[in-house]
Amino acid sequence: DTAVSQTPKYLVTQMGNDKSIKCEQNLGHDTMYWYKQDSKKFLKIMFSYNNKELIINETVPNRFSPKSPDKAHLNLHINSLELGDSAVYFCASSRGAGLNTEAFFGQGTRLTVV
Amino acid sequence: AQKITQTQPGMFVQEKEAVTLDCTYDTSDPSYGLFWYKQPSSGEMIFLIYQGSYDQQNATEGRYSLNFQKARKSANLVISASQLGDSAMYFCAMHRRNNNDMRFGAGTRLTVKP
Repeated sequence: DTAVSQTPKYLVTQMGNDKSIKCEQNLGHDTMYWYKQDSKKFLKIMFSYNNKELIINETVPNRFSPKSPDKAHLNLHINSLELGDSAVYFCASSRGAGLNTEAFFGQGTRLTVV
Repeated sequence: AQKITQTQPGMFVQEKEAVTLDCTYDTSDPSYGLFWYKQPSSGEMIFLIYQGSYDQQNATEGRYSLNFQKARKSANLVISASQLGDSAMYFCAMHRRNNNDMRFGAGTRLTVKP
């Protein structure tokens, strides 16, 4: 059983397209995150949600819109894709605020914009 | 805002020797957690070890130990008896207790030489 699963694993698309990445966790966690890892391997937090509520929106262009239909899911929709959006996107979950607990990561989605 | 610094972009170690990967952090919160993750070339994020800000003893997990010096705001990872499979990127991260915010350092690429 995969704890945090992301789909798709690879995504190749043209500039200007709109795409979504889905994330689901079966750990019963309250908190979910999206991170972007660039070509230099730097992991930058994009969003965090706690119980479907947006907690952190880290100066991400508004072309990126997270959606959390329930606390087990956090999807990422990207409009008008640009070349600079090419990166690996990681979804993660943890037990939540107030608890020092590690984040469990999905396998990542490698997005390539051409 | 919290900041995590890893000053070693790359490190080399001989197989079977110990290596220390540096991490310093900056936060005004009294309660926080510090984490180390490993990212092998396959790309997944693997949790290694955790240290809470109020923990009196340094954390250990098998060959991994965390040298926590709170006054210096450092949380260095020590890997004993390095193995070839330890070659990977290593990330230090901090989670603030009062919000859903986990941030990462820039990472250190460790190469274990036979």
